[in-house]
Amino acid sequence: GESVGLHLPTLSVQEGDNSIINCAYSNSASDYFIWYKQESGKGPQFIIDIRSNMDKRQGQRVTVLLNKTVKHLSLQIAATQPGDSAVYFCAENIDNAGNMLTFGGGTRLMVKP
Amino acid sequence: DAGVTQSPTHLIKTRGQHVTLRCSPISGHKSVSWYQQVLGQGPQFIFQYYEKEERGRGNFPDRFSARQFPNYSSELNVNALLLGDSALYLCASSPNRGGYGYTFGSGTRLTVV
Repeated sequence: GESVGLHLPTLSVQEGDNSIINCAYSNSASDYFIWYKQESGKGPQFIIDIRSNMDKRQGQRVTVLLNKTVKHLSLQIAATQPGDSAVYFCAENIDNAGNMLTFGGGTRLMVKP
Repeated sequence: DAGVTQSPTHLIKTRGQHVTLRCSPISGHKSVSWYQQVLGQGPQFIFQYYEKEERGRGNFPDRFSARQFPNYSSELNVNALLLGDSALYLCASSPNRGGYGYTFGSGTRLTVV
């Protein structure tokens, strides 16, 4: 399939290392945040979400951190695997205003075996 | 369970033509949203439909229109195609009007020549 992001910032990590992907969001009124993974030829796939009343949420191998003071979101992937190679997007939403998501620019994660 | 299905998967059109893209949401999902993803960028919101009514519109010209049918499937129409309309068009469905529970389809790759 076609590449999703030819000119995106790239994070290159060794298999087994931890990865941290950062995102700055734009709207201080946003109260719901989502991380998506997008592989070539596919639509964005939900990874993890967090609401603005939390500052940390953990899933399986993934953790999302939210810093509302500086409008910053990060995704931590533990023990990164080759299957984690993809483009990662953060998205923000004002939940009671419909479900328009505003996406960040994306980061390409490349995992070296 | 079937996910969000979009058709066609790929399409080539000539400038000035019209195109119709189709989306079937996950069973039980009443909200459908459309996004445009230009190569190298994050998806941009075009429309949200919930219970067959337009609930949100992004910053796109009037050449873009959509509708939702009684079975909650949706069509996105684009008139007078421009080269800049070449993109991956993504459909997402969710159970309700808010941002929680979004699931994306794999998209329709539109190329305008």
